[in-house]
Amino acid sequence: QVQLVQSGGEVKKPGTSVKVSCKTSGYTFIRHAISWVRQVPGQGLEWVGWISPDNRNTNYAQKFEGRVTMTTDTSTRTVYMELRSLRSDDTAVYYCAREGIPAAVPAENYFDSWGQGTLVSVSS
Amino acid sequence: SYELTQPPSVSVSPGQTASLTCSGDKLGDRYACWYQQKPGQSPVLVIYQDNKRPSGIPERFSGSNSGNTATLTIRGTQTMDEADYYCQAWDSVTVAFGGGTKLTVL
Repeated sequence: QVQLVQSGGEVKKPGTSVKVSCKTSGYTFIRHAISWVRQVPGQGLEWVGWISPDNRNTNYAQKFEGRVTMTTDTSTRTVYMELRSLRSDDTAVYYCAREGIPAAVPAENYFDSWGQGTLVSVSS
Repeated sequence: SYELTQPPSVSVSPGQTASLTCSGDKLGDRYACWYQQKPGQSPVLVIYQDNKRPSGIPERFSGSNSGNTATLTIRGTQTMDEADYYCQAWDSVTVAFGGGTKLTVL
């Protein structure tokens, strides 16, 4: 079955960077794009960006442009999200989520599998 | 950026029908989907492409989308359905989530 297993929680100081991993299994890795979604404690879901493991194309939410980089490692079926210049308001649970339809027009797609979440705490 | 609006909370009695709404400009021209999230858990897809149910989601969950409003309907609501529900749609190549609705079953 499809599984997305994320790396463990991180505690970071303001101004530093964090890199969260999402190891996938149970499906053809390159066929399904992965998005990253974050959730500040007690608040709603916020989309961070998207990467296609096939061609490594990325698309980031404007809010995170310049601070986030998403990459993939096909040999280990792992997707990474690096967020730089961390601030206290970046404290959140970060989820990776798989798009359900392979190579589909984005407008038709949805997130059918989610990782367990990684809590990133930013504090001085 | 595209905005989706959900009421912060909805209450329903067990066995009754819950209707959760999600509003956005011409939302009916896009696909809407819905996620259920229980405390301390990851979101779970319950409706996709307006009205399709993933395997394993009970038939009591249904969806519709027309005009500016998508609706998630839960018929015969059970206490296990108490959760936060988020709608989601694409705006070209970016994703918009609604702010979420807390469904209370009491």
